[in-house]
Amino acid sequence: KAGVTQTPRYLIKTRGQQVTLSCSPISGHRSVSWYQQTPGQGLQFLFEYFSETQRNKGNFPGRFSGRQFSNSRSEMNVSTLELGDSALYLCASSEGPGADYGYTFGSGTRLTVV
Amino acid sequence: GESVGLHLPTLSVQEGDNSIINCAYSNSASDYFIWYKQESGKGPQFIIDIRSNMDKRQGQRVTVLLNKTVKHLSLQIAATQPGDSAVYFCAENPSYKLIFGSGTRLLVRP
Repeated sequence: KAGVTQTPRYLIKTRGQQVTLSCSPISGHRSVSWYQQTPGQGLQFLFEYFSETQRNKGNFPGRFSGRQFSNSRSEMNVSTLELGDSALYLCASSEGPGADYGYTFGSGTRLTVV
Repeated sequence: GESVGLHLPTLSVQEGDNSIINCAYSNSASDYFIWYKQESGKGPQFIIDIRSNMDKRQGQRVTVLLNKTVKHLSLQIAATQPGDSAVYFCAENPSYKLIFGSGTRLLVRP
Protein backbone atom coordinates (compact mmCIF):
# COMPACT_ATOMS: atom_id res chain seq x y z
CA LYS A 1 0.00 0.00 0.00
CA ALA A 2 1.57 3.28 -1.09
CA GLY A 3 2.10 5.96 1.53
CA VAL A 4 1.45 9.66 1.36
CA THR A 5 3.27 11.15 -1.62
CA GLN A 6 4.34 14.76 -1.68
CA THR A 7 5.82 16.49 -4.71
CA PRO A 8 8.17 18.06 -5.29
CA ARG A 9 10.59 17.08 -2.50
CA TYR A 10 12.63 20.23 -2.80
CA LEU A 11 11.83 23.64 -4.19
CA ILE A 12 13.68 26.94 -4.39
CA LYS A 13 11.67 30.06 -5.12
CA THR A 14 12.33 33.77 -5.19
CA ARG A 15 10.63 36.18 -2.85
CA GLY A 16 7.40 37.46 -4.38
CA GLN A 17 6.76 34.35 -6.46
CA GLN A 18 4.05 31.83 -5.81
CA VAL A 19 4.31 28.08 -5.33
CA THR A 20 2.04 25.06 -5.50
CA LEU A 21 2.72 21.89 -3.54
CA SER A 22 1.00 18.59 -4.15
CA CYS A 23 -0.08 15.75 -1.88
CA SER A 24 -1.49 12.36 -2.82
CA PRO A 25 -3.02 10.63 0.21
CA ILE A 26 -3.09 6.94 0.98
CA SER A 27 -5.66 5.17 -1.16
CA GLY A 28 -9.03 5.29 0.56
CA HIS A 29 -8.12 8.21 2.81
CA ARG A 30 -10.45 11.12 2.30
CA SER A 31 -8.92 13.67 4.65
CA VAL A 32 -5.77 15.66 3.99
CA SER A 33 -4.17 18.05 6.46
CA TRP A 34 -1.23 20.35 5.93
CA TYR A 35 1.38 21.40 8.47
CA GLN A 36 4.30 23.79 8.29
CA GLN A 37 7.51 22.84 10.11
CA THR A 38 10.18 25.40 10.92
CA PRO A 39 12.99 25.37 13.48
CA GLY A 40 11.55 28.40 15.22
CA GLN A 41 7.83 27.62 15.30
CA GLY A 42 7.88 23.84 15.10
CA LEU A 43 4.94 22.03 13.53
CA GLN A 44 1.94 24.24 12.93
CA PHE A 45 -1.44 23.39 11.45
CA LEU A 46 -2.28 25.05 8.15
CA PHE A 47 -5.59 23.53 7.05
CA GLU A 48 -7.60 20.38 6.65
CA TYR A 49 -9.66 19.14 3.74
CA PHE A 50 -12.26 16.39 3.75
CA SER A 51 -14.36 15.42 0.77
CA GLU A 52 -13.17 18.45 -1.19
CA THR A 53 -14.21 20.89 1.55
CA GLN A 54 -11.94 22.88 3.77
CA ARG A 55 -13.04 22.01 7.26
CA ASN A 56 -10.56 23.92 9.33
CA LYS A 57 -7.85 26.53 8.91
CA GLY A 58 -4.94 27.50 11.11
CA ASN A 59 -3.63 30.95 11.91
CA PHE A 60 -1.86 31.68 8.66
CA PRO A 61 -2.33 34.67 6.34
CA GLY A 62 -4.56 34.49 3.31
CA ARG A 63 -1.51 33.96 1.11
CA PHE A 64 -1.75 30.32 2.12
CA SER A 65 -4.53 28.45 0.41
CA GLY A 66 -5.37 24.96 -0.65
CA ARG A 67 -7.84 22.71 -2.29
CA GLN A 68 -8.79 19.08 -2.56
CA PHE A 69 -9.86 17.23 -5.65
CA SER A 70 -12.48 14.54 -6.09
CA ASN A 71 -9.78 11.84 -5.93
CA SER A 72 -8.72 13.24 -2.52
CA ARG A 73 -5.44 14.61 -3.84
CA SER A 74 -4.68 18.02 -2.40
CA GLU A 75 -2.67 21.04 -3.35
CA MET A 76 -1.58 23.99 -1.30
CA ASN A 77 -0.57 27.31 -2.73
CA VAL A 78 1.48 30.10 -1.25
CA SER A 79 1.38 33.42 -3.05
CA THR A 80 3.74 36.38 -2.76
CA LEU A 81 6.39 34.30 -1.06
CA GLU A 82 8.32 35.76 1.85
CA LEU A 83 11.65 34.63 3.25
CA GLY A 84 9.85 33.42 6.36
CA ASP A 85 7.85 30.94 4.30
CA SER A 86 10.96 28.79 4.01
CA ALA A 87 9.96 25.58 5.73
CA LEU A 88 9.20 21.91 5.43
CA TYR A 89 5.57 21.54 4.40
CA LEU A 90 4.05 18.28 5.52
CA CYS A 91 0.90 16.65 4.33
CA ALA A 92 -0.94 14.05 6.39
CA SER A 93 -3.80 11.86 5.31
CA SER A 94 -6.39 10.04 7.37
CA GLU A 95 -9.51 8.01 6.80
CA GLY A 96 -11.82 10.59 8.29
CA PRO A 97 -11.90 14.20 9.37
CA GLY A 98 -10.14 15.37 12.48
CA ALA A 99 -6.85 14.40 13.99
CA ASP A 100 -8.15 11.50 16.06
CA TYR A 101 -8.55 9.29 13.01
CA GLY A 102 -4.80 9.00 13.01
CA TYR A 103 -2.50 10.76 10.59
CA THR A 104 0.01 9.29 8.20
CA PHE A 105 2.52 11.91 7.14
CA GLY A 106 4.37 12.25 3.91
CA SER A 107 8.06 13.10 3.75
CA GLY A 108 7.32 16.72 3.03
CA THR A 109 8.30 19.38 0.55
CA ARG A 110 11.28 21.48 1.55
CA LEU A 111 10.63 25.02 0.33
CA THR A 112 13.45 27.56 0.32
CA VAL A 113 12.64 31.18 -0.47
CA VAL A 114 15.59 33.32 -1.52
CA GLY B 1 -2.65 30.05 24.78
CA GLU B 2 -2.54 26.43 23.76
CA SER B 3 0.85 24.83 24.02
CA VAL B 4 2.57 21.50 24.25
CA GLY B 5 6.09 21.54 25.52
CA LEU B 6 8.98 19.23 26.30
CA HIS B 7 11.29 19.37 29.28
CA LEU B 8 14.50 18.20 27.58
CA PRO B 9 15.54 19.32 24.12
CA THR B 10 18.24 16.62 23.81
CA LEU B 11 18.52 13.22 25.45
CA SER B 12 21.65 11.08 25.13
CA VAL B 13 21.45 7.44 26.19
CA GLN B 14 23.64 4.38 25.99
CA GLU B 15 22.57 1.67 23.60
CA GLY B 16 20.57 -0.91 25.49
CA ASP B 17 19.42 1.48 28.20
CA ASN B 18 15.85 2.65 28.60
CA SER B 19 14.88 6.14 27.42
CA ILE B 20 12.24 8.39 28.88
CA ILE B 21 11.01 11.44 27.00
CA ASN B 22 8.68 13.81 28.80
CA CYS B 23 6.06 16.24 27.63
CA ALA B 24 3.77 18.76 29.30
CA TYR B 25 0.50 19.81 27.75
CA SER B 26 -1.73 22.69 28.66
CA ASN B 27 -5.18 22.08 27.17
CA SER B 28 -7.50 20.25 29.53
CA ALA B 29 -9.88 19.59 26.64
CA SER B 30 -7.37 17.34 24.91
CA ASP B 31 -8.61 13.76 24.83
CA TYR B 32 -6.14 12.17 22.48
CA PHE B 33 -2.35 12.18 22.58
CA ILE B 34 0.19 10.86 20.15
CA TRP B 35 3.93 10.35 20.04
CA TYR B 36 5.70 10.75 16.72
CA LYS B 37 9.25 9.97 15.66
CA GLN B 38 10.89 12.04 12.96
CA GLU B 39 14.09 10.96 11.28
CA SER B 40 16.16 13.29 9.16
CA GLY B 41 14.57 13.94 5.81
CA LYS B 42 11.32 12.22 6.69
CA GLY B 43 7.93 13.18 7.96
CA PRO B 44 6.74 12.33 11.47
CA GLN B 45 6.05 8.65 11.97
CA PHE B 46 3.36 7.45 14.38
CA ILE B 47 4.75 5.57 17.39
CA ILE B 48 1.93 5.19 19.87
CA ASP B 49 -1.19 6.97 21.00
CA ILE B 50 -3.34 7.13 24.10
CA ARG B 51 -6.84 8.35 24.87
CA SER B 52 -7.63 10.41 27.92
CA ASN B 53 -9.57 7.55 29.53
CA MET B 54 -6.35 5.58 29.87
CA ASP B 55 -3.25 6.06 32.02
CA LYS B 56 -0.90 3.71 30.24
CA ARG B 57 -0.57 2.02 26.91
CA GLN B 58 2.12 -0.34 25.72
CA GLY B 59 3.43 -1.12 22.29
CA GLN B 60 6.45 -2.94 21.03
CA ARG B 61 9.32 -1.64 23.22
CA VAL B 62 7.41 1.59 23.85
CA THR B 63 5.08 2.67 26.63
CA VAL B 64 3.16 5.91 26.92
CA LEU B 65 2.07 7.19 30.30
CA LEU B 66 -0.56 9.87 30.77
CA ASN B 67 -1.01 11.83 33.98
CA LYS B 68 -4.03 14.07 33.52
CA THR B 69 -3.74 15.53 37.01
CA VAL B 70 -0.49 17.29 36.18
CA LYS B 71 -1.01 17.31 32.40
CA HIS B 72 2.05 15.23 31.73
CA LEU B 73 2.82 12.69 29.05
CA SER B 74 5.87 10.47 28.77
CA LEU B 75 7.28 8.03 26.26
CA GLN B 76 9.40 5.16 27.49
CA ILE B 77 11.57 3.24 25.06
CA ALA B 78 12.97 -0.03 26.30
CA ALA B 79 16.40 -1.29 25.27
CA THR B 80 17.15 1.75 23.14
CA GLN B 81 18.74 0.95 19.81
CA PRO B 82 20.76 3.07 17.36
CA GLY B 83 17.74 3.10 15.06
CA ASP B 84 15.83 4.95 17.75
CA SER B 85 17.96 8.04 17.22
CA ALA B 86 15.57 10.72 15.99
CA VAL B 87 13.50 13.67 17.13
CA TYR B 88 10.43 12.73 19.12
CA PHE B 89 7.31 14.88 19.28
CA CYS B 90 4.32 14.64 21.50
CA ALA B 91 1.07 15.98 20.14
CA GLU B 92 -2.33 16.65 21.65
CA ASN B 93 -5.69 16.86 20.01
CA PRO B 94 -8.03 19.30 21.79
CA SER B 95 -10.14 19.69 18.66
CA TYR B 96 -9.78 19.09 14.96
CA LYS B 97 -6.03 19.61 14.72
CA LEU B 98 -2.88 18.39 16.38
CA ILE B 99 -0.81 20.69 18.57
CA PHE B 100 2.78 19.54 18.57
CA GLY B 101 5.43 19.96 21.18
CA SER B 102 8.80 21.42 20.28
CA GLY B 103 10.50 18.02 20.10
CA THR B 104 13.26 16.12 21.88
CA ARG B 105 16.29 14.82 20.06
CA LEU B 106 17.26 11.33 21.18
CA LEU B 107 20.90 10.38 20.64
CA VAL B 108 21.90 6.76 21.17
CA ARG B 109 25.56 6.19 22.05
CA PRO B 110 27.06 2.88 20.87
